[in-house]
Amino acid sequence: GAVVSQHPSWVICKSGTSVKIECRSLDFQATTMFWYRQFPKQSLMLMATSNEGSKATYEQGVEKDKFLINHASLTLSTLTVTSAHPEDSSFYICSASWGQGASYEQYFGPGTRLTVT
Amino acid sequence: SQQGEEDPQALSIQEGENATMNCSYKTSINNLQWYRQNSGRGLVHLILIRSNEREKHSGRLRVTLDTSKKSSSLLITASRAADTASYFCATGPMNRGKLIFGQGTELSVKP
Repeated sequence: GAVVSQHPSWVICKSGTSVKIECRSLDFQATTMFWYRQFPKQSLMLMATSNEGSKATYEQGVEKDKFLINHASLTLSTLTVTSAHPEDSSFYICSASWGQGASYEQYFGPGTRLTVT
Repeated sequence: SQQGEEDPQALSIQEGENATMNCSYKTSINNLQWYRQNSGRGLVHLILIRSNEREKHSGRLRVTLDTSKKSSSLLITASRAADTASYFCATGPMNRGKLIFGQGTELSVKP
């Protein structure tokens, strides 16, 4: 149980275009979903936290107008990278939790590799 | 900002040996978790230890937590080539819902 999927697993797009990444909890209802970015050989950096039905909370330094997050249902959150640039190329990972707060385990998706050319 | 510091950054051992990774953090925590990540893949949750626990075991994994020193260690016994991966600690701060990840230890187990 507690499976989280991401789609697509990898995507290549041209500079200036927008890309949408989906994160789904397959067998549980995710009250909270998290979006992380990971550059090669580095750790995960939290970008934003989203609770179903409310606006996402972005971490300091993350542009909310560039990284649009929608958590419209208890099983789906989307991250849209708008007007992508090569520096946005990264590994994007989502996680989902059925509770709010750090006591609840987060289940991670397999990640989406974004390459902007 | 990242609050976890892990050492070593990279560790190379032979199959059958034990691997020990350390994690230090800066603020009070609710719990500390360890994750494994195979190259280019998502994270796999290994073990969660709460702030009132000192040691926890799961199979070949042993985790210790010393809140007075703000540190934790992950021991993998009798390592296997399949254990080759990056290992991250993540802390769940008090009164906050998000995990803060350490920089990770890259473990290489040679057959």
